[in-house]
Amino acid sequence: KAGVTQTPRYLIKTRGQQVTLSCSPISGHRSVSWYQQTPGQGLQFLFEYFSETQRNKGNFPGRFSGRQFSNSRSEMNVSTLELGDSALYLCASSRGESEAFFGQGTRLTVV
Amino acid sequence: QQQVKQSPQSLIVQKGGISIINCAYENTAFDYFPWYQQFPGKGPALLIAIRPDVSEKKEGRFTISFNKSAKQFSLHIMDSQPGDSATYFCAASLSGATNKLIFGTGTLLAVQP
Repeated sequence: KAGVTQTPRYLIKTRGQQVTLSCSPISGHRSVSWYQQTPGQGLQFLFEYFSETQRNKGNFPGRFSGRQFSNSRSEMNVSTLELGDSALYLCASSRGESEAFFGQGTRLTVV
Repeated sequence: QQQVKQSPQSLIVQKGGISIINCAYENTAFDYFPWYQQFPGKGPALLIAIRPDVSEKKEGRFTISFNKSAKQFSLHIMDSQPGDSATYFCAASLSGATNKLIFGTGTLLAVQP
């Protein structure tokens, strides 16, 4: 059974640009969450989507957005990138009220 | 009240020893407590999880001890091996929100041969 797949693995962007990251959950999982991991702030919850609807949201500015498609695949978008957005972005999938499994992440570097 | 406090920040254990990592929480509405293991360059991997209706759960060399009254839980790694060297995160979530995890700050474990 395939795990959570995130693409791309690495990304370098310039300040002010926008970026879209993709996540394919484990087959049968309808919940997809996104997390930001930085050395200073640790692992922080961004938002969760379930059946194409945003179900939970963390304390991040509106520049961070996401969506989920009918096949449960999810994308997150960050607009007007700032240097502080450099981080490992992790996607986790679950069946809804069961264990969450993480992908390997997308390492975003903003220069 | 949404925080999960984790200690120690780093831990050095000899091969064959017991590694113990502790976490504490404030929000009594939390009802799911997983532990994740993360190697450099990888995403967190679920190790073991517990709910408040049990005080202990064991899977292989990994044991979670849960103290509901003290609002604390801990991870014990028995017979620690060099391959266990990684960063360990505790987490907590509210009922029905197992994919909205509040993470501790992590513990960097080094197991010396």
